[in-house]
Amino acid sequence: EDQVTQSPEALRLQEGESSSLNCSYTVSGLRGLFWYRQDPGKGPEFLFTLYSAGEEKEKERLKATLTKKESFLHITAPKPEDSATYLCAVQGGGYQKVTFGTGTKLQVIP
Amino acid sequence: DVKVTQSSRYLVKRTGEKVFLECVQDMDHENMFWYRQDPGLGLRLIYFSYDVKMKEKGDIPEGYSVSREKKERFSLILESASTNQTSMYLCASSYTGEQEQFFGPGTRLTVL
Repeated sequence: EDQVTQSPEALRLQEGESSSLNCSYTVSGLRGLFWYRQDPGKGPEFLFTLYSAGEEKEKERLKATLTKKESFLHITAPKPEDSATYLCAVQGGGYQKVTFGTGTKLQVIP
Repeated sequence: DVKVTQSSRYLVKRTGEKVFLECVQDMDHENMFWYRQDPGLGLRLIYFSYDVKMKEKGDIPEGYSVSREKKERFSLILESASTNQTSMYLCASSYTGEQEQFFGPGTRLTVL
């Protein structure tokens, strides 16, 4: 059974204080690892897909990286508008189903 | 832009009522999904559909059924609502099993 564990559960940063969120996973034949952002009371919004170890993707202040066991979402010089819950998900081989982690709630303080 | 809409943002129902949640996507996606999201449990898959009239059970299908008569529309049905079905329900769609899913705004259902 595919499993996704995200840490920390919550993170509080000062504006400009860079940090990383962790997503550890176990999956049979990784087909894709996804990062989403979710604002309170809204549906998740897609950020990145990573397919293989060593792959990296960037978008504004966010950078996602992937190894064979975990993924990191690096946040460089965050701003208050980056405050949200960040979700990680994996899709295993031979199946349409995606397994989500419980998320990291990020708060960036001005 | 892909748009996924859900019929209600907030819904309050009584125990035992039959509840219909509707989801519509406008991008001709083959795959559609229903999740529920609860604090500490994350998103859990209830059902998904990869084609019209096709459906597959997810992790927690008990107490739910689905219907997909048209490609753009996927309905979630609670045959007899119970208090433990109080949750945020999220619909999503995607082109293929390997692509990102696009989510609707969610329906917060309260069963009294």
